[in-house]
Amino acid sequence: AQSVTQPDIHITVSEGASLELRCNYSYGATPYLFWYVQSPGQGLQLLLKYFSGDTLVQGIKGFEAEFKRSQSSFNLRKPSVHWSDAAEYFCAVGNQAGTALIFGKGTTLSVSS
Amino acid sequence: EAGVAQSPRYKIIEKRQSVAFWCNPISGHATLYWYQQILGQGPKLLIQFQNNGVVDDSQLPKDRFSAERLKGVDSTLKIQPAKLEDSAVYLCASSLDIQGEQYFGPGTRLTVT
Repeated sequence: AQSVTQPDIHITVSEGASLELRCNYSYGATPYLFWYVQSPGQGLQLLLKYFSGDTLVQGIKGFEAEFKRSQSSFNLRKPSVHWSDAAEYFCAVGNQAGTALIFGKGTTLSVSS
Repeated sequence: EAGVAQSPRYKIIEKRQSVAFWCNPISGHATLYWYQQILGQGPKLLIQFQNNGVVDDSQLPKDRFSAERLKGVDSTLKIQPAKLEDSAVYLCASSLDIQGEQYFGPGTRLTVT
């Protein structure tokens, strides 16, 4: 079955500390991978995406993610977290055919001062 | 460029009542999606349109949910009759074409009492 697993429901990070959010997927076809961020009352905003090529992708707001095919993972990282990064983060998988995305359950990030 | 517009932003109804949501995609976007996001979960596709044709409605509860996209632009999603478990945020997204990046609206938060 096609699925996305985000093992961490809630993570708290100190401001200025590094961040890694985990994402594992199960997908039959070649996956297109995405990370979205959702702030309270807002829609989903795309942080970054991976289709092919370099397995380390850069996104907006200083985020990056690394695709590891052998581990079926696409973890999101940021070297130094800002208080404004507090939000919910969703990993999603799609395919070249353009079928709708399959989302994980999300990880809530809290930032402490 | 205007984003995806949705209305209303919030709606409270009693079970067995009917409700309708409206979505106006980004101008020129051929593909439109409706997702349901239940609290604590990631968005789940309800229906995907390409212009005014349905691409995927396999997860739409057709006994109570209906959606249309007349003239391939705006779309409405209707629930009749509503159940308590329909309480969720309903997200509309659009993309330039079926393989394009999805842009999400702010969502409609539905509470069924």
